Amino acid sequence: QVQLVQSGAEMKKPGAAVKVSCKASGYTLSSFAMHWVRQAPGQSLEWMGWINAGNGNTKYSQKFQGRVTISRDTSASTAYMEVSSLRSEDTAVYYCARGSIQQLPFFDYWGQGTLVTVSS
Amino acid sequence: DFVMTQSPDSLAASLGERATIHCKSSQSVLSSSSNANYLAWYQQRPGQPPKLLIYWASTRESGVPDRFSGSGSGTDFTLTISSLQAEDVAVYYCQQYYTTPLTFGGGTKVEIK
Repeated sequence: QVQLVQSGAEMKKPGAAVKVSCKASGYTLSSFAMHWVRQAPGQSLEWMGWINAGNGNTKYSQKFQGRVTISRDTSASTAYMEVSSLRSEDTAVYYCARGSIQQLPFFDYWGQGTLVTVSS
Repeated sequence: DFVMTQSPDSLAASLGERATIHCKSSQSVLSSSSNANYLAWYQQRPGQPPKLLIYWASTRESGVPDRFSGSGSGTDFTLTISSLQAEDVAVYYCQQYYTTPLTFGGGTKVEIK
């Protein structure tokens, strides 16, 4: 069965960077897109960007362009999302989410989420 | 950006009652070439990641109970739970995938009265 297992919670100081991993099992990572979505406490969902896990091409929301890097290691079946220059407003649960089997950007499987807390 | 507006923010209904959630897009998500609406619905139970319920505005994901149905076209969409069950307590989100940035509605919290 398809599973996306994310790395554990992180606590970071403002200005630092954080890298979250998302290990895929039950399917071939390179056959599907991987998206990253975040959810601030008590808030809705916010799309950050995605990677074509086959060729490594990425696209980011304009809001995160230049501050977020999405990558993958197909040999490890793992996708990554790094946010730099963290600020308190980046405190959120970060999810990886697989693009649909129809190769369209809605999400049929989600990771369990990784809480990133940014505080001095 | 496409702004997705959901209403109501929350609702409470009795077990077995119908619950209806609305989602309005600031621009049409209907593709003229495919005649398909690029709209999905998700359910997020407390402490859980979202779960895909419906895509193409009305196609139920495999394994989703048939009490969940989606309708609408263009800019106005509805998610209906025909007979509310205890396990349906959750926040529901709509999402457009017509264009990037992909955007979600603000969510509708469903509770049991």
